[in-house]
Amino acid sequence: AQSVTQLGSHVSVSEGALVLLRCNYSSSVPPYLFWYVQYPNQGLQLLLKYTSAATLVKGINGFEAEFKKSETSFHLTKPSAHMSDAAEYFCAVSDSSSSVVFGAGTILRVKS
Amino acid sequence: KAGVTQTPRYLIKTRGQQVTLSCSPISGHRSVSWYQQTPGQGLQFLFEYFSETQRNKGNFPGRFSGRQFSNSRSEMNVSTLELGDSALYLCASSSGARGHNNSPLHFGNGTRLTVT
Repeated sequence: AQSVTQLGSHVSVSEGALVLLRCNYSSSVPPYLFWYVQYPNQGLQLLLKYTSAATLVKGINGFEAEFKKSETSFHLTKPSAHMSDAAEYFCAVSDSSSSVVFGAGTILRVKS
Repeated sequence: KAGVTQTPRYLIKTRGQQVTLSCSPISGHRSVSWYQQTPGQGLQFLFEYFSETQRNKGNFPGRFSGRQFSNSRSEMNVSTLELGDSALYLCASSSGARGHNNSPLHFGNGTRLTVT
């Protein structure tokens, strides 16, 4: 069975600072990995996905994530935080036969 | 292309009643999944339909049911509502073919259900 662990339910950064949101996964087969973002009163939007083509994945809004098999990690980063990045972020995993499993989410706060 | 549409947006029901939520997927998408989102439990998978067949089911009681129509639209039903069913119910569609789950999910804005 697959699972996802997001370290830190809340992360706070200053505007312009590096954003790092951590995600570790567990999967018995090569996984597909995703990051989604949710703004208040909205559904989730895809930020980026990993499907084994390249270990460093670039997404929308300047976000990127690196797949590290040895660490079973897929951390999300952005070099410089913007106020509009404040939202809740979800890491998710699936494989070729199962549905998507989401992590518990990390709320990102950006301080001015 | 229109996005995933969920109706109604907000719903208030009383304990013991039943409710039906509707989801229209993105045109061409044949897979529809439903999730329950609450502050305490996060996003929990309810079920997934593909071409009118339930492909996967989460760990929810039988009071939660769903179906998918030939046009890929989906409904979920909750019978004998309990206070704990208050949540945001999210529907997501994808173009993923059977057994090919690298297709991202496209979410609607959800139905906020409040049970009093």
